[in-house]
Amino acid sequence: AQSVTQLDSQVPVFEEAPVELRCNYSSSVSVYLFWYVQYPNQGLQLLLKYLSGSTLVESINGFEAEFNKSQTSFHLRKPSVHISDTAEYFCAVQFEGSQGNLIFGKGTKLSVKP
Amino acid sequence: DAGVIQSPRHEVTEMGQEVTLRCKPISGHNSLFWYRQTMMRGLELLIYFNNNVPIDDSGMPEDRFSAKMPNASFSTLKIQPSEPRDSAVYFCASRNRERMNTEAFFGQGTRLTVV
Repeated sequence: AQSVTQLDSQVPVFEEAPVELRCNYSSSVSVYLFWYVQYPNQGLQLLLKYLSGSTLVESINGFEAEFNKSQTSFHLRKPSVHISDTAEYFCAVQFEGSQGNLIFGKGTKLSVKP
Repeated sequence: DAGVIQSPRHEVTEMGQEVTLRCKPISGHNSLFWYRQTMMRGLELLIYFNNNVPIDDSGMPEDRFSAKMPNASFSTLKIQPSEPRDSAVYFCASRNRERMNTEAFFGQGTRLTVV
């Protein structure tokens, strides 16, 4: 069965600390991978995506994610977080042949403390 | 482009009343999704349309929920009758299906409270 798992529902960190938000998927077909961010009382916004090519993708605000096919993972990382990074982060996967449907993980709430 | 537009942003209604949520997708997008977000269940796909045709409605909770897309620029999600457990934030999203690897764009959501 095709699924997306975000093991950590909440991740508290101190400002300027590194962070990793984990995402694993289960699939026997090719995938496209996305990370979305949701700030309080807002909709989801695309943070970054992996389609093909280099397995390391970056966002404009310092986040990066690496596609690891053998481990079926797409973990999100940032070497030094800011208070403004406090939000909920969703991993999403589009499975080949799914007619475009995106499957979302349950989300990880990142809380950055001063 | 104004993005995906949802209305209303907030809705408070009494149990048993009919509720209609509206969505205008981004012009040119031909896939539209309705999601529900709650603390307990996270983000759930309710239904999605390709070229105005419902493709998968297996996420619709029960017969009280219905969704329509009469044209490429408008969709509704109706709950009749509403119940307190329907309280959630409902999101609409759209994407260009012709480009299979593009992301979905989300609206700001409708926060529904059923009392």
